[in-house]
Amino acid sequence: EAQVTQNPRYLITVTGKKLTVTCSQNMNHEYMSWYRQDPGLGLRQIYYSMNVEVTDKGDVPEGYKVSRKEKRNFPLILESPSPNQTSLYFCASRREAPPDTQYFGPGTRLTVL
Amino acid sequence: AQSVTQLGSHVSVSEGALVLLRCNYSSSVPPYLFWYVQYPNQGLQLLLKYTSAATLVKGINGFEAEFKKSETSFHLTKPSAHMSDAAEYFCAVTTYSSASKIIFGSGTRLSIRP
Repeated sequence: EAQVTQNPRYLITVTGKKLTVTCSQNMNHEYMSWYRQDPGLGLRQIYYSMNVEVTDKGDVPEGYKVSRKEKRNFPLILESPSPNQTSLYFCASRREAPPDTQYFGPGTRLTVL
Repeated sequence: AQSVTQLGSHVSVSEGALVLLRCNYSSSVPPYLFWYVQYPNQGLQLLLKYTSAATLVKGINGFEAEFKKSETSFHLTKPSAHMSDAAEYFCAVTTYSSASKIIFGSGTRLSIRP
């Protein structure tokens, strides 16, 4: 089944404790992105990647890191999480440039205490 | 730069009534426009997309949207609401030249009254 998977789905952590949210897609897609969803703000792009070893900042990259060492994986790293990073995070992928359809993972709900 | 505005953070309709969710966009170049649906505790799923082929776009689950350049609008409609349509809906805009940047609206939560 073609899909984007994220792990973990739920995470509660404390300020300053490094964490990684994994994202993997099995569709051989070139493009991958990370978004955060906050009430009343919709989805905002954190980082995106157009291919292996090619990443760039989105609209809200502060406090986040990403890497794309393999085509299928695009982990999101929070080196020192803070409470304002409490949010719902989505990974997404698509095969090529717009208007190709973007496929979303199920989301990761992160709470930073 | 592109932007998208969804009018109404919450819309409530009766089962069987017309659904109308409003989306206005801003783009200096021809846009691509999307509507996504998010059911509770799930990721986003594409409902339909406008790619400059036809101004009236039909999507899944009986939804459709019409691209109106003169009004910079891409409103989502469905003639008859079902209980299963209760979800959050997002409008999004991008362009070919900004390949990796997709701008989402703030979302509209659709409730269906029995």
